[in-house]
Amino acid sequence: AQKVTQAQTEISVVEKEDVTLDCVYETRDTTYYLFWYKQPPSGELVFLIRRNSFDEQNEISGRYSWNFQKSTSSFNFTITASQVVDSAVYFCALSDSGLNAGGTSYGKLTFGQGTILTVHP
Amino acid sequence: DGGITQSPKYLFRKEGQNVTLSCEQNLNHDAMYWYRQDPGQGLRLIYYSQIVNDFQKGDIAEGYSVSREKKESFPLTVTSAQKNPTAFYLCASSPLHAGYNYGYTFGSGTRLTVV
Repeated sequence: AQKVTQAQTEISVVEKEDVTLDCVYETRDTTYYLFWYKQPPSGELVFLIRRNSFDEQNEISGRYSWNFQKSTSSFNFTITASQVVDSAVYFCALSDSGLNAGGTSYGKLTFGQGTILTVHP
Repeated sequence: DGGITQSPKYLFRKEGQNVTLSCEQNLNHDAMYWYRQDPGQGLRLIYYSQIVNDFQKGDIAEGYSVSREKKESFPLTVTSAQKNPTAFYLCASSPLHAGYNYGYTFGSGTRLTVV
């Protein structure tokens, strides 16, 4: 069974601080995908990043960066110089790449509990 | 613009009443999903469908029913058998491709409250 753990339930920082959101996962699959989503107060989940298990390169996108380490089964997310607009719930998610009989990817995501990030001005 | 439309945004249900939440997508995605979100519990999968006229139970399907008569539509019915239906419901969709996972596109959600 797959499992995603986001140990930090809530994080509170002051604007311009750097903040890291932790994500630890469990899976028996050798091929899998990891995701981060942002849920602002409006409620809709917004896709941030996708990473497959064969790509361990870290990624940077503006103030966002992701550190994927297979050795520790972690996929952590760092926001540099946080801003009030970063306040949201952030979800880490895991999916297999299992092929069904038809040969298509299955794609069901397992989500972590989410981390509520509050950035104060 | 392509996307997923959930309606209504807010829904109130009386005890013992069935209600249906709408989810429509124009992304031509094969798969659709329903998740329930409760405070502090993340997202839990209710039902999913990979193809028209076929769907599977997720982790918390009891008290819910779905249909997939059209590729674009995946309505969720919350029945009177669901004892604690007050929650935020999210619909999602994804394309299906061999060996690759694109992740989900989400709707904006429906907040259901029992009164």
